[in-house]
Amino acid sequence: GAVVSQHPSWVICKSGTSVKIECRSLDFQATTMFWYRQFPKQSLMLMATSNEGSKATYEQGVEKDKFLINHASLTLSTLTVTSAHPEDSSFYICSARGRLEEQYFGPGTRLTVT
Amino acid sequence: SQQGEEDPQALSIQEGENATMNCSYKTSINNLQWYRQNSGRGLVHLILIRSNEREKHSGRLRVTLDTSKKSSSLLITASRAADTASYFCASSYNTNAGKSTFGDGTTLTVKP
Repeated sequence: GAVVSQHPSWVICKSGTSVKIECRSLDFQATTMFWYRQFPKQSLMLMATSNEGSKATYEQGVEKDKFLINHASLTLSTLTVTSAHPEDSSFYICSARGRLEEQYFGPGTRLTVT
Repeated sequence: SQQGEEDPQALSIQEGENATMNCSYKTSINNLQWYRQNSGRGLVHLILIRSNEREKHSGRLRVTLDTSKKSSSLLITASRAADTASYFCASSYNTNAGKSTFGDGTTLTVKP
């Protein structure tokens, strides 16, 4: 299957700082990528849909000014958590949509805000 | 809100036994996908089954889809300790731009 990478794998930051997470599709072009967050022992919750060349579509309840998404190219989407707080600590996972509607997931980024 | 529901929430079996997990959804789907997730890791895509398909196989995995009951099942045969993980179904709906809605997952423990 296709390969999606995320960087960094884990990050610890101080409250009030911003953190950028990258999601790359390594061997295919993805016009659509998705960002999820997952709390321990829970399922994935979709945060937003990232479309190349246009604004992201956010799910209800997700603050667009706090979670900035940029899909600058067909292989790269970034999620920036601005002014991070401890409650933003979570596992963030991206996925890229393939031609046949399947989704390929990145390995995830564990964010801890102290 | 999450529309997928999975049962059981947790399942513990002995190595060599079969494991069956079920997933239900609420509205018409384009496709349904099963994923596996090891603790603290990303998701691994297992099988995609389309709305016009009833059964698919991949190695020791068998997925069925019953659109009349709006349900799907994942069967793992001859389980191994390495199959220990959480398993999620994700349904993709006709009108939501390719988004997938995840079930709550089934935590499978295979005892050696």
